[in-house]
Amino acid sequence: DIQMTQSPSSLSASLGDRVTITCRASQTISRFLSWYQHKPGKAPKLLIYSAVTLQSGVPSRFSGSGSGTDFTLTISSLQPEDFATYYCQQSYSTPYTFGQGTNLEMK
Amino acid sequence: QVQLQESGPGLVKPSETLSLTCTVSGGSINSFYWSWIRQPPGKGLEWIGHIYYSGSSNYNPSLKSRVTMSVDTSKNDVSLNLGSVTAADTAVYYCARESRGGYSLAWFDSWGQGTLVTVSS
Repeated sequence: DIQMTQSPSSLSASLGDRVTITCRASQTISRFLSWYQHKPGKAPKLLIYSAVTLQSGVPSRFSGSGSGTDFTLTISSLQPEDFATYYCQQSYSTPYTFGQGTNLEMK
Repeated sequence: QVQLQESGPGLVKPSETLSLTCTVSGGSINSFYWSWIRQPPGKGLEWIGHIYYSGSSNYNPSLKSRVTMSVDTSKNDVSLNLGSVTAADTAVYYCARESRGGYSLAWFDSWGQGTLVTVSS
């Protein structure tokens, strides 16, 4: 299985901050990477797919970059609704695997 | 906009079979893969497997011996059976629609709210 490792596991930030979350794959996955936002009791929400493509309806303050083994999710200016847990996920090979999550909290 | 809703028993006894259904509304299950994903309490997300509307499936090897998925195109729903459950199978179970972009590029663009299944006697 391809292991996905996110860093940091948790992050405290303030409104308006620029935030970056990193995801590293245990082997190359080209750009077969997606990012999700998850709030307690809600359905996870797709933010980014194919490493850099913004899902329709997702605010432009979210962006993704990377290829191969190293990827980043950036939120350019934190808004109140952005405090959540974020997951990366690879689809290069099955079984699909997720990172362990990054819990973004308000400072 | 497509909506997914998981349903099934919230409590299952050890050694029994967990059975869940994902009902899809606002869209057809045709031409898509449908995945089941779970999240044990306090842990991350685990992909259980997926099934194509035609019935072909692929399961996570860690669960393969206990998992069966099926589709019912007439009801527009997808089902999950997980046999011989233990407390380790306690989790929130999600169904998700899998969209594809060629080769193996895939992403989950619609999710259900999830349903908590507890395994306990």
